[in-house]
Amino acid sequence: GAVVSQHPSRVICKSGTSVKIECRSLDFQATTMFWYRQFPKQSLMLMATSNEGSKATYEQGVEKDKFLINHASLTLSTLTVTSAHPEDSSFYICSARSGKGNEQFFGPGTRLTVL
Amino acid sequence: GNSVTQMEGPVTLSEEAFLTINCTYTATGYPSLFWYVQYPGEGLQLLLKATKADDKGSNKGFEATYRKETTSFHLEKGSVQVSDSAVYFCALRINDYKLSFGAGTTVTVRA
Repeated sequence: GAVVSQHPSRVICKSGTSVKIECRSLDFQATTMFWYRQFPKQSLMLMATSNEGSKATYEQGVEKDKFLINHASLTLSTLTVTSAHPEDSSFYICSARSGKGNEQFFGPGTRLTVL
Repeated sequence: GNSVTQMEGPVTLSEEAFLTINCTYTATGYPSLFWYVQYPGEGLQLLLKATKADDKGSNKGFEATYRKETTSFHLEKGSVQVSDSAVYFCALRINDYKLSFGAGTTVTVRA
């Protein structure tokens, strides 16, 4: 299957700082990328959907000013957690697909720890 | 709304045992159904899928049948291996809409 990478795999930051997580589709063009958050022993919760070149669509309850998503190219989307706090500590996972109805391919995830 | 209910874990089995993970769904419309697997330290991978009633998805010895009458998509494997230890997620998708995931079931297979 297609490969999606995420960088960094782990990040530890101080409260109040901002953290950027990158999601790349390595061998296909991703017209749509998805960002999920996964709490320990819980399911994935969709945070937002982004289409290349347009603004992201956020799920209810997700603060768009806190979780900034940019999908500037067909192979790269970024999630920036602004002014991070300990409650933002979580496992963030992205996925990408090349077109409507196509399979989503998931990245390996990024573990964020906010001290 | 759309939702997926999965059997709670964790599940611990011995090698060569039979594995079943129950999954039921609620959906407005006709969903496609999926099982994803997450191995330790890795991202989710699609294990199998079924797009219409009575379809059977299969892969790596795992099977699941789309049962519209019972709104279920139970995952089964006849003889598990240690390498099957992972977290398994049931999911549904209506048309081209977003994936809705179950809570995940952690499976541990002991040698």
